[in-house]
Amino acid sequence: EPEVTQTPSHQVTQMGQEVILRCVPISNHLYFYWYRQILGQKVEFLVSFYNNEISEKSEIFDDQFSVERPDGSNFTLKIRSTKLEDSAMYFCASSQGTPNQPQHFGDGTRLSIL
Amino acid sequence: KQEVTQIPAALSVPEGENLVLNCSFTDSAIYNLQWFRQDPGKGLTSLLLIQSSQREQTSGRLNASLDKSSGRSTLYIAASQPGDSATYLCAANSGNTPLVFGKGTRLSVIA
Repeated sequence: EPEVTQTPSHQVTQMGQEVILRCVPISNHLYFYWYRQILGQKVEFLVSFYNNEISEKSEIFDDQFSVERPDGSNFTLKIRSTKLEDSAMYFCASSQGTPNQPQHFGDGTRLSIL
Repeated sequence: KQEVTQIPAALSVPEGENLVLNCSFTDSAIYNLQWFRQDPGKGLTSLLLIQSSQREQTSGRLNASLDKSSGRSTLYIAASQPGDSATYLCAANSGNTPLVFGKGTRLSVIA
C-alpha cells in the first residue's frame, strides 16, 4: 500500500538555525498538509497546499515557516530560525482531494531544538 | 470553529473486554470523521473513516459509529488485546480542510 514517507525521523538543531523537514506524499494525491504535535498536546494543523500554493494556514504558521514542492514528488517544511518552542513531532499528510477521502499520515519527524 | 473532545483521557481494561471510546465535535457540518491509532513516539495510523452519510463502519474487531445530529462518534473495540494498547485519536474533516483532532484516549489493555 502506498505510504507517505518523511525524513529525517529525528532532527536535533541548535536554536536559531534553519531546518528543513522533508516529505514524499502518495503519488496520485493532490492535497498536502503539515501538522505538528507538541509533547502531550493535540495534533495541530499548520498548513495545507494544493495546486502549488498554500490553500490554508493556521495562526501557528507565521513568517518563520515556509513550504515548497520543489519537484514532482517532495514536499518540504522550512523553519527559518528555530525556537525552543518549535520542538515537536511534525507530521506530513496527503489526500486525493475529494472530501470523502482520508488523509494519510507519515511517521513524523521529531524535531528537538537545543 | 470546530472543537473535538475525547473522553476518557485514559482507560485501562483487562484483556478480553469490549470497550468504547468516545469522541464529540461541536460543528455537525462534517464530511467524515477519522479514527487513528498512535503508538508512543510514532506516527498516526488511520483505522477507520466514517462518512457523514454513514452511521457506522467496521474493520475487524473495530466498529466506529457516527451520529452527526448529536455531534458524537464512538469507537468500539471487541475482545481487547494487549497489542491494542495505544492512544486513539479522532479527527473531524469538514471537506478539503484541515483535520481537527481530539487529544486522544490512552488505552492500556492488561494481560
